[in-house]
Amino acid sequence: DTGVSQDPRHKITKRGQNVTFRCDPISEHNRLYWYRQTLGQGPEFLTYFQNEAQLEKSRLLSDRFSAERPKGSFSTLEIQRTEQGDSAMYLCASSLGGNRMNTEAFFGQGTRLTVV
Amino acid sequence: GENVEQHPSTLSVQEGDSAVIKCTYSDSASNYFPWYKQELGKGPQLIIDIRSNVGEKKDQRIAVTLNKTAKHFSLHITETQPEDSAVYFCAASGPLSGNTPLVFGKGTRLSVIA
Repeated sequence: DTGVSQDPRHKITKRGQNVTFRCDPISEHNRLYWYRQTLGQGPEFLTYFQNEAQLEKSRLLSDRFSAERPKGSFSTLEIQRTEQGDSAMYLCASSLGGNRMNTEAFFGQGTRLTVV
Repeated sequence: GENVEQHPSTLSVQEGDSAVIKCTYSDSASNYFPWYKQELGKGPQLIIDIRSNVGEKKDQRIAVTLNKTAKHFSLHITETQPEDSAVYFCAASGPLSGNTPLVFGKGTRLSVIA
């Protein structure tokens, strides 16, 4: 399968614990996005990378959220000191970075986080 | 920033009928408008997209229209089938150079009744 891969698919954690999610994009895609989706809502943009550079992170929900893409391939999203309000589906997407035109973004299956 | 409104939030149609979902956007600089289908427990799947230099695009039973002047775009599904039942999201974004990733609508839950 050459699509976007996310791991784990499900994570249950206790409030206050740290969690880390991984995303492996489509291999030739240099752009990688993280979104959060809560029940009944559309995906909400969090941050994105072009290669290893994080181009936008102001939408991260708080300073407890951070993301990395150290070698321009896979990415990790970490949430520190989780709260019940962090329970959501975390989606990763990737695309080719064009010069002026957007290109198609393909999503992974998501990681569903439940904070108890 | 961009704001995308999507209507209706739920839609039920009889199998074989057509379904239409409408979206409006706020940023006149937006130039890319994809539609995604999301089934329960899965990530969104890109089904069709349109760029601002065209007014309509069709792919088998699905079509998308764009009215740049009015800043709205629509998804049309003809000859609906039960497997079309899912949540559909519209989205909009501007040029990559402006660092404007996709902004999504809140979704439309489509139910196709056999």
